[in-house]
Amino acid sequence: GAVVSQHPSRVICKSGTSVKIECRSLDFQATTMFWYRQFPKQSLMLMATSNEGSKATYEQGVEKDKFLINHASLTLSTLTVTSAHPEDSSFYICSARVQGLGEQYFGPGTRLTVT
Amino acid sequence: GQNIDQPTEMTATEGAIVQINCTYQTSGFNGLFWYQQHAGEAPTFLSYNVLDGLEEKGRFSSFLSRSKGYSYLLLKELQMKDSASYLCAADTGGFKTIFGAGTRLFVKA
Repeated sequence: GAVVSQHPSRVICKSGTSVKIECRSLDFQATTMFWYRQFPKQSLMLMATSNEGSKATYEQGVEKDKFLINHASLTLSTLTVTSAHPEDSSFYICSARVQGLGEQYFGPGTRLTVT
Repeated sequence: GQNIDQPTEMTATEGAIVQINCTYQTSGFNGLFWYQQHAGEAPTFLSYNVLDGLEEKGRFSSFLSRSKGYSYLLLKELQMKDSASYLCAADTGGFKTIFGAGTRLFVKA
């Protein structure tokens, strides 16, 4: 199956700093990638849809100025959490769909802890 | 509105069969995903049903009834490693996927 990687897997940062998370599709081209957030014992919540070469589409309630998404190439999307606060601590997961197929493949996730 | 319902928790015995149900109400619908998620890990793809009926893939099978807005995941010959959360998710079209809260399955010896 298709492989999606994420980096870093874990990050601890201080309140007020920014953190960048990378999501890569390793063996396929992904024109569209998705960013999710998952709090403990809760389901995945879609934050935004990232489209290669254009602006991301954010879900209602997600601050686009705080969660910056860049989809610079067909294999890379980045999420930058700016001015992080402790309430941003969560599990961030990216995914990509193989063009023309239904399957959606997830990266391994990034656990962000803001102190 | 958009709604996906599945049981919060289920317990089953090693070697047994368990069925995890999911009902959905969405404004658009292309198909139904099932994912497995172990604690602290990202979800892994299990199945994607577009047409009505049962699709079998080894020990796992998934069923869809579009007219009833209903799906189930069937796990046979349960193993301890099957203890995980199982997420039902509706593909609502336009690449948008809505996830249920997940069913935590506990497999006991």
